[in-house]
Amino acid sequence: NAGVTQTPKFQVLKTGQSMTLQCAQDMNHNSMYWYRQDPGMGLRLIYYSASEGTTDKGEVPNGYNVSRLNKREFSLRLESAAPSQTSVYFCASSRIGGGLGSGNTIYFGEGSWLTVV
Amino acid sequence: QKEVEQNSGPLSVPEGAIASLNCTYSDRVSQSFFWYRQYSGKSPELIMSIYSNGDKEDGRFTAQLNKASQYVSLLIRDSQPSDSATYLCAPDGNAGNMLTFGGGTRLMVKP
Repeated sequence: NAGVTQTPKFQVLKTGQSMTLQCAQDMNHNSMYWYRQDPGMGLRLIYYSASEGTTDKGEVPNGYNVSRLNKREFSLRLESAAPSQTSVYFCASSRIGGGLGSGNTIYFGEGSWLTVV
Repeated sequence: QKEVEQNSGPLSVPEGAIASLNCTYSDRVSQSFFWYRQYSGKSPELIMSIYSNGDKEDGRFTAQLNKASQYVSLLIRDSQPSDSATYLCAPDGNAGNMLTFGGGTRLMVKP
């Protein structure tokens, strides 16, 4: 059981380049998330998708776009990368959205290390 | 004011001691609380969840919740070097009912 799979694991971009981080989950979860984590800091929510066909902004959405392609896949796109977007990106999923109590565990992918030079 | 506050540490404890990790949150509507452990270079993994006031025990881990004080803690008994990691607190109920993570507390257990 793969859980949450995200690609690529490592990427170096030049300022202004674009790229897409791919994420897929095989747990039939409804909700998916993209977080970023900067050195020594906690996780900050970029975008989330509570269910297939919906996406919403999180805490730090500027400079990013997302697509919930289907129930399994949720991609994150950087249209014009900036050095401030150097970070580790985590995709995650949960059976339902937060706030609904028992059983709502969030499962994380292994992370994507992105460096923008 | 941050929504979730944790002491960044590092918290250093000797092997076999009790490690106490604390978290305060600002959103009174939060109902569920989660503790995640993150080893360096790895993704977070859920270790405890708690929904009711009081204590919840799972092996060497005990989560404590006080909703009136908006405070949740994690106790690790008989700490082991393998417990050395960053511990993230995540109450729900924020940002459109999505989990909001604290900055994490780095725990170091010294042999």
